Amino acid sequence: DSGVTQTPKHLITATGQRVTLRCSPRSGDLSVYWYQQSLDQGLQFLIQYYNGEERAKGNILERFSAQQFPDLHSELNLSSLELGDSALYFCASSVALGPTSYGYTFGSGTRLTVV
Amino acid sequence: KNQVEQSPQSLIILEGKNCTLQCNYTVSPFSNLRWYKQDTGRGPVSLTIMTFSENTKSNGRYTATLDADTKQSSLHITASQLSDSASYICVVSHYGGATNKLIFGTGTLLAVQP
Repeated sequence: DSGVTQTPKHLITATGQRVTLRCSPRSGDLSVYWYQQSLDQGLQFLIQYYNGEERAKGNILERFSAQQFPDLHSELNLSSLELGDSALYFCASSVALGPTSYGYTFGSGTRLTVV
Repeated sequence: KNQVEQSPQSLIILEGKNCTLQCNYTVSPFSNLRWYKQDTGRGPVSLTIMTFSENTKSNGRYTATLDADTKQSSLHITASQLSDSASYICVVSHYGGATNKLIFGTGTLLAVQP
């Protein structure tokens, strides 16, 4: 167990729908990062939050949004889902603002399937 | 453009054999380089992390090397086991001022056969 908890582990939904993925960082970690990994693709950085504030944005679609709550858990909202959004979505956390320390830990991911 | 390229894309070896995976990067300025192991359908797990001044680091049967001059890294796996079958991802940390940004390679898929 890495200490980073992602729920749900699997999600199947129809095109056009909206889903919310949840991530609880390791205890003491203030930064949360979201990544998308499509089949046979590398990890693509989506967005980072640090202590409740958005700090960095990657290739995140406008249909996607995220937030980090006061208890530091984060949610990634995906709307108007398309078949191409099917992927593994990973959350990672670190204690620092940037992934400079050893404490950069990934969760086990949420597998999203859009049908 | 900041990029990380890994080779080979995939590799099949017999149990007990050694193998070496390669990573070339063009990331600048460079902060550190990490190797992750990702089992199918699971999150990546860190194997090693090296800063600019380090040129080798070991974690059990895994040994990573770094040549910051040529911007190359390798991951050597000794006496492979079936459980080593996974994707191995090279990740370079790009120092971008206030925060570091991670640049991911697409990974080398290793299959260890009995």
